Amino acid sequence: QKEVEQDPGPLSVPEGAIVSLNCTYSNSAFQYFMWYRQYSRKGPELLMYTYSSGNKEDGRFTAQVDKSSKYISLFIRDSQPSDSATYLCAMSPPGANNLFFGTGTRLTVIP
Amino acid sequence: NAGVMQNPRHLVRRRGQEARLRCSPMKGHSHVYWYRQLPEEGLKFMVYLQKENIIDESGMPKERFSAEFPKEGPSILRIQQVVRGDSAAYFCASSPPGGKRDSPLHFGNGTRLTVT
Repeated sequence: QKEVEQDPGPLSVPEGAIVSLNCTYSNSAFQYFMWYRQYSRKGPELLMYTYSSGNKEDGRFTAQVDKSSKYISLFIRDSQPSDSATYLCAMSPPGANNLFFGTGTRLTVIP
Repeated sequence: NAGVMQNPRHLVRRRGQEARLRCSPMKGHSHVYWYRQLPEEGLKFMVYLQKENIIDESGMPKERFSAEFPKEGPSILRIQQVVRGDSAAYFCASSPPGGKRDSPLHFGNGTRLTVT
């Protein structure tokens, strides 16, 4: 079993839709949770960073962490064509030197 | 992403040759991490370095791969006697001296290695 599971998609939505991206994980020690956006031929760009459980909002993006279910989500409101990219979840336990990544979900927002 | 500089962007090597990938961290950052991304797979941790020290190389293959971060100059990921399975995108990330907890990793745009 992979430590982090993420549906690879692809996911296509019309412009203006609400997008929900999700990851599940198996290691209950994970405390730090991140979402990265990766455009084609580019490096991952940090979108959201949360510690432990709860919600965090930044503009059109909301990250949720449910540690009891080992489930994290990223919501994108009013999606734009420029949001078309691959979204990677990442997480780590305290004191770890490395991040554990999901495989990424490819999102296309259709104008 | 522009802060972490990686070169070359693309590298083609024949089987058996050596590949050298370079990474300059963001200004003020002293921690460097190397990750590998295979097609249809997530990023996999390879090695974590500080200046002149390898802190964690638990993700590095036991043979042919090495990394360094000298006192002066960029971090280098070196792959000797490359094989086709080494074809991947290699990403470097950096963080400031406070460590990952205070500031998440910032990645470069990667080096895409193709082994023919």
